[in-house]
Amino acid sequence: DGGITQSPKYLFRKEGQNVTLSCEQNLNHDAMYWYRQDPGQGLRLIYYSQIVNDFQKGDIAEGYSVSREKKESFPLTVTSAQKNPTAFYLCASSGQGLPNYGYTFGSGTRLTVV
Amino acid sequence: AQSVTQLGSHVSVSEGALVLLRCNYSSSVPPYLFWYVQYPNQGLQLLLKYTSAATLVKGINGFEAEFKKSETSFHLTKPSAHMSDAAEYFCVVSLMEYGNKLVFGAGTILRVKS
Repeated sequence: DGGITQSPKYLFRKEGQNVTLSCEQNLNHDAMYWYRQDPGQGLRLIYYSQIVNDFQKGDIAEGYSVSREKKESFPLTVTSAQKNPTAFYLCASSGQGLPNYGYTFGSGTRLTVV
Repeated sequence: AQSVTQLGSHVSVSEGALVLLRCNYSSSVPPYLFWYVQYPNQGLQLLLKYTSAATLVKGINGFEAEFKKSETSFHLTKPSAHMSDAAEYFCVVSLMEYGNKLVFGAGTILRVKS
């Protein structure tokens, strides 16, 4: 079945460490997105990519980095510059030029700083 | 400017009672509108979407929503709540001025009492 796979489901990070969250999709979607979710704040867009080898900053990109070397993969790195990284991270994808179809979401990664 | 507003961060209903989750949007052009549901520690699942074909939209699990342009609203309803409906619900808009990216409301947590 087609879908989006996020790994790991739970991740613990020490202060000052960089960590990378994986997102893989087999839906042949062009666009991929990373969101951060905090209680009571909905989802906030971190980065998005509409095509391979191209990506744009979202609303809260500081302290994060991404790459899009393959259509299927859009990993997110949470760097030590992100001062408050504890959150639930969601990856999503959509077909290019199809805004009325919405997004398909992965099951999320919960990151905790210890 | 807030593009989508969900009234009430928490809603509590009794099992079998009507569910009404309120959503208003701000846009000069009718957007694409969606409702997503999120169960604890999971990703988001599409409940229903409005794409201008019909103002009353039926979704999964017995939910429906009505687009009212004059009120700029897209409230979600279900005639009879079930315990399994307890989750967080997000009203989402896709706006041309945001490059058709999705903009999320803050979410409403639905509690169903037995």
